[in-house]
Amino acid sequence: DTAVSQTPKYLVTQMGNDKSIKCEQNLGHDTMYWYKQDSKKFLKIMFSYNNKELIINETVPNRFSPKSPDKAHLNLHINSLELGDSAVYFCASSQYLKETQYFGPGTRLLVL
Amino acid sequence: AQSVTQLGSHVSVSEGALVLLRCNYSSSVPPYLFWYVQYPNQGLQLLLKYTTGATLVKGINGFEAEFKKSETSFHLTKPSAHMSDAAEYFCAVSDQVSGGYNKLIFGAGTRLAVHP
Repeated sequence: DTAVSQTPKYLVTQMGNDKSIKCEQNLGHDTMYWYKQDSKKFLKIMFSYNNKELIINETVPNRFSPKSPDKAHLNLHINSLELGDSAVYFCASSQYLKETQYFGPGTRLLVL
Repeated sequence: AQSVTQLGSHVSVSEGALVLLRCNYSSSVPPYLFWYVQYPNQGLQLLLKYTTGATLVKGINGFEAEFKKSETSFHLTKPSAHMSDAAEYFCAVSDQVSGGYNKLIFGAGTRLAVHP
């Protein structure tokens, strides 16, 4: 069983489109995250949710809107996609007060 | 604020040779430190972590790392490289935010190449 899963794995789209990436974890964790990995492999946190509540919101354009319908799911919706949004987006999860985060396989987004 | 510096964006070793990937951190509090590995076109897999206790931690695939507070380092080693170790390696420190939550601050990564 996959612990942290993401869909889709690959996403190719045109500038200006709106797209969503989904994440699900079956580890029973209550905290989930989105990280962005740029073309130079640099990883940076974007958002974190704990039990459906926004905990961390880094300086991310408001075109990015995370949504957590329940503690096992964290989705990322991106409006008006730009070329610079091309990256790999990783979802991760952990248990509150536990430091270890477990990552999904990533979603490779290419904006043309 | 916490930060992580990985010395050497590319490291190349021969199969069977020692692997040493360097990581230095900056932290105002006792750090939680991690090494993750990313194989090509895959996600991040936890190799090992240091939280408290023994400063030499062992991880998967024969890797280990030693926390040295005086040197603010957490270098990753493996006695004998295998071809399958070729990957990108990330060092990370846990940065606490309010409410007991944390986020990971990553280094820039080190690409390990292993040649026959």
